[in-house]
Amino acid sequence: ETGVTQSPTHLIKTRGQQVTLRCSSQSGHNTVSWYQQALGQGPQFIFQYYREEENGRGNFPPRFSGLQFPNYSSELNVNALELDDSALYLCASSLAGGDEQFFGPGTRLTVL
Amino acid sequence: GNSVTQMEGPVTLSEEAFLTINCTYTATGYPSLFWYVQYPGEGLQLLLKATKADDKGSNKGFEATYRKETTSFHLEKGSVQVSDSAVYFCALSGGGSNYKLTFGKGTLLTVNP
Repeated sequence: ETGVTQSPTHLIKTRGQQVTLRCSSQSGHNTVSWYQQALGQGPQFIFQYYREEENGRGNFPPRFSGLQFPNYSSELNVNALELDDSALYLCASSLAGGDEQFFGPGTRLTVL
Repeated sequence: GNSVTQMEGPVTLSEEAFLTINCTYTATGYPSLFWYVQYPGEGLQLLLKATKADDKGSNKGFEATYRKETTSFHLEKGSVQVSDSAVYFCALSGGGSNYKLTFGKGTLLTVNP
C-alpha cells in the first residue's frame, strides 16, 4: 500500500511569485485535505477536496486555491506569495466520511 | 468554533520517566479526538484516537481517555524512551461534511538517556 506522497520536498520562492504543490493520496483514498504548518505551530486547515470539488475551506484568502484530479491526486496553488506564506504544507488523504487522515511528509516553502 | 489547548513545552524527561501531556478542547457536538506525533523533518503520524466519551485510545505504550465531563484527552505513557522524542499534537475532528482537523500548538518532548 502506497502512502501519501508530496512534491517537491523543499521550495524557495520570492514575494509575489506563484507556487504549485502536489500530493498523491494513499491508495484507495478519495478525499484530500491541505494544511499549513507555520514554524512552531500546529497545522491549520486550508481546504479539502472530494470528487474533484472543494468540500470545506478554512480561514485562508482566495489566492490559496486547489484542484483534485480523477485519480484523487491534488494540487495546492498559492498566488502572490507573501513572506508569511513560508511554512510546511501538509497534505492528508482519507476515505469519504472517515475521520482518520493520513499525512504526507510535507513541502517546506520558503518565501524570500 | 472548535479549539484545542495543549500543554506547551518543551518537556524534558529522563528515559523510563512517566509522561503526561495535557489536552483540553472546545467543540460543539461529539468530536473525535486524536494524538498525532511529528518526528524531526517528517509529516504527522497518527498515534491514537478515540471517537466517543470514555473511549481509551492506545498505541505503542501511549494512552489517552476521552473525558467529556472535563473536555480533556490527556496523553500518557508509563515509561518513555529516547526514541519517543518528537512533537506531539492533540487534535479534534468536529464531524460535519468534511471532518477537518483542528490542532493544538504542539508539545515538544525530549527524552534524555
